[in-house]
Amino acid sequence: LAKTTQPISMDSYEGQEVNITCSHNNIATNDYITWYQQFPSQGPRFIIQGYKTKVTNEVASLFIPADRKSSTLSLPRVSLSDTAVYYCLVGDPGGGNKLTFGTGTQLKVEL
Amino acid sequence: DTEVTQTPKHLVMGMTNKKSLKCEQHMGHRAMYWYKQKAKKPPELMFVYSYEKLSINESVPSRFSPECPNSSLLNLHLHALQPEDSALYLCASSHPSSGRGDEQYFGPGTRLTVT
Repeated sequence: LAKTTQPISMDSYEGQEVNITCSHNNIATNDYITWYQQFPSQGPRFIIQGYKTKVTNEVASLFIPADRKSSTLSLPRVSLSDTAVYYCLVGDPGGGNKLTFGTGTQLKVEL
Repeated sequence: DTEVTQTPKHLVMGMTNKKSLKCEQHMGHRAMYWYKQKAKKPPELMFVYSYEKLSINESVPSRFSPECPNSSLLNLHLHALQPEDSALYLCASSHPSSGRGDEQYFGPGTRLTVT
């Protein structure tokens, strides 16, 4: 069964780029990698999703190497409001594969 | 409307009670999910419904009983729960697509306390 691990916490300052990694050694062929942001007492919110190589949207980039055993979420210029827990999610419910959230990374952004 | 609503927001129940959690979405999504989240832990998948049929049950104890009456509604019936079942219960929905992961929209959750 895939074990999906992340650093427990990261600290940053406003305006900096933050890169959060997720390790998913047992990723299956049909699995996608999705990143979510969660604030206290709220449900997770979608950030970005990818299968391989690089994906970019208006808020983040996702880098996935060729072996797909890890992924990196890149937040280009963080602000105080980006302080939250970030989770990677590996799986494909459409294909019946188990959905596994990573252990989560608490990002703290300071002035 | 890109919102998933969950009721109630908070629920306190005794171990002999029967209660239900409700989830609703009007985005036309045909996949709906129940997750359990303990404090400072990631969400754990419990059930997945695809086109109103139960497609994934992650070996959840029978004291949790899901129901999907139609494509917009998802219920979780609770009976004879244990104190360790206290958690945040999250509902989510997405477009089901075979062979592709899908963005899930999460509700705010129901904070359940079992006494």
